[in-house]
Amino acid sequence: NAGVTQTPKFRVLKTGQSMTLLCAQDMNHEYMYWYRQDPGMGLRLIHYSVGEGTTAKGEVPDGYNVSRLKKQNFLLGLESAAPSQTSVYFCASGTSVYEQYFGPGTRLTVT
Amino acid sequence: GESVGLHLPTLSVQEGDNSIINCAYSNSASDYFIWYKQESGKGPQFIIDIRSNMDKRQGQRVTVLLNKTVKHLSLQIAATQPGDSAVYFCAENLFGGTSYGKLTFGQGTILTVHP
Repeated sequence: NAGVTQTPKFRVLKTGQSMTLLCAQDMNHEYMYWYRQDPGMGLRLIHYSVGEGTTAKGEVPDGYNVSRLKKQNFLLGLESAAPSQTSVYFCASGTSVYEQYFGPGTRLTVT
Repeated sequence: GESVGLHLPTLSVQEGDNSIINCAYSNSASDYFIWYKQESGKGPQFIIDIRSNMDKRQGQRVTVLLNKTVKHLSLQIAATQPGDSAVYFCAENLFGGTSYGKLTFGQGTILTVHP
């Protein structure tokens, strides 16, 4: 099993550009999450999904959209990137809240 | 909203010593807590968890203690090894309601183990 994978690993965007981050898991997990991690801070939840076709807002959802069209994939979109969205983004999945398996992260820089 | 925080941002220990990492939480209704380890350039990795109906839980070389009276959580690592060097996060969850499945993370403690 590959576990949780994230694409891409690194990306540099100009202000106003858009992009989509892909998270894929092969563990048949119902729950999937997107977090961002900024220097000196813990992870903050952006959006999450409790099953295929469902999504919900987390702690810091503004400026992001998500979709869960397939159970194994969870996409995070930035419609108009801003420098404040420079961060490391982590995806996680799990069968419940008991354990969340994290991907390796995507380092995004917005100039 | 309420949040989870850490007393010490950094901790340096000698190889073989025991390490104790502390965490304070403010939401007295939280009923589930997790410790994660994050190595440089990687995602967080689950270490151990504890429910609010427990005071102590042990794993392999790790012990988590929960003191609900003072809303304090600690992670003890026995015989710390250089491979334990990482950032350690505590996280809390409140079951039920609209917050189900959502973890609130502390800011993290950097553990450095010297050979």
